[in-house]
Amino acid sequence: NAGVTQTPKFRILKIGQSMTLQCTQDMNHNYMYWYRQDPGMGLKLIYYSVGAGITDKGEVPNGYNVSRSTTEDFPLRLELAAPSQTSVYFCASIRSGLAGNTGELFFGEGSRLTVL
Amino acid sequence: QKEVEQDPGPLSVPEGAIVSLNCTYSNSAFQYFMWYRQYSRKGPELLMYTYSSGNKEDGRFTAQVDKSSKYISLFIRDSQPSDSATYLCAMSRGYSSASKIIFGSGTRLSIRP
Repeated sequence: NAGVTQTPKFRILKIGQSMTLQCTQDMNHNYMYWYRQDPGMGLKLIYYSVGAGITDKGEVPNGYNVSRSTTEDFPLRLELAAPSQTSVYFCASIRSGLAGNTGELFFGEGSRLTVL
Repeated sequence: QKEVEQDPGPLSVPEGAIVSLNCTYSNSAFQYFMWYRQYSRKGPELLMYTYSSGNKEDGRFTAQVDKSSKYISLFIRDSQPSDSATYLCAMSRGYSSASKIIFGSGTRLSIRP
């Protein structure tokens, strides 16, 4: 199994450009998450989804959009990129709610985005 | 006020020492508490997972949750240089309708040989 796959691994954007970070998981997990991690900091939740067609805002959703048309895919869209969006983006998934679960979020390898 | 507070460190201790890492939180609805370890340029990986209050031990690692004080801890015994990493606490209410998993800012730990 590939687990959680993120693309691209690295990207440089100019201010005002748009792009989509792709995230795919092959574990049939219902819950998926997008986090950003600034240098030396923890993870901040951007958006999450508890199933296909259902998304919700996290702690820092401004400047981002998501969609969840399938169980496997959870792309993150950046519109009008700004230098403040320079960060490492992690996609993660978990089978279901934490009740009766191991609490283990499976993370992708991260996407390093620089906005100049 | 942040929902989860964690001292960012850095924390440097000699090999073999007992390490104590802590987080406080403000949302009394949190029931699920986790500790993740993150090596440089890698994604976080789960270390410990606890539900509600109490202690949980796994090898050299012990997780404690004190819900009355809204305080969680991770203890590492006989610390090794390979334990050098950033440690992130995470927590959630856990119900399917409120499945946000919130992380602390992480504590950078260095174990000196």
